[in-house]
Amino acid sequence: GDKVKQSPSALSLQEGTNSALRCNFSIAATTVQWFLQNPRGSLINLFYLVPGTKENGRLKSAFDSKESYSTLHIRDAQLEDSGTYFCAAWNSNNRIFFGDGTQLVVKP
Amino acid sequence: NTKITQSPRYLILGRANKSLECEQHLGHNAMYWYKQSAEKPPELMFLYNLKQLIRNETVPSRFIPECPDSSKLLLHISAVDPEDSAVYFCASSQSRVSNERLFFGHGTKLSVL
Repeated sequence: GDKVKQSPSALSLQEGTNSALRCNFSIAATTVQWFLQNPRGSLINLFYLVPGTKENGRLKSAFDSKESYSTLHIRDAQLEDSGTYFCAAWNSNNRIFFGDGTQLVVKP
Repeated sequence: NTKITQSPRYLILGRANKSLECEQHLGHNAMYWYKQSAEKPPELMFLYNLKQLIRNETVPSRFIPECPDSSKLLLHISAVDPEDSAVYFCASSQSRVSNERLFFGHGTKLSVL
């Protein structure tokens, strides 16, 4: 969407490598969520963030509300990390805006 | 995610009427219907909070939501159109008053012949 810009739109990684996805916001985002839509189509919660950072296994996410961006770092990419990653941001009017997604393919 | 169940999982329709069902077992107050077309992010259709319709985005009138209780959500579709082919996700959050984490069901894939 135009309020949440995700980059890159597509990404191919070798298994075992690291990468980072980014979302830039043109709204005053108060909280951010990251989802993985797996090849079966399920939307899986990865992170829910107020400004700050969170880590879960090989994934780490940060949200900077002053600079209006969020990042998702993937360490040691695995085949099962493949899918489409969406970030979504809530504004102060309780509306949520989704980015257009990053399509990630992890290759052996 | 077995805490938000949707039925049916797949639906193939001609110009017929059908209802999609959702039930959440999370004790959440807010429930949503989203439509996801191919290669796009989910788009909000309807939002209920405590059984009240709070948000009704620009959706064709052939889509009629119903919230019989705070844990259940229905989407009635009449005379479907080929442009309605998409995955319909039910979602829930603790409330819509504050920006609470959103949880999605597994979706209903609708294919219109």
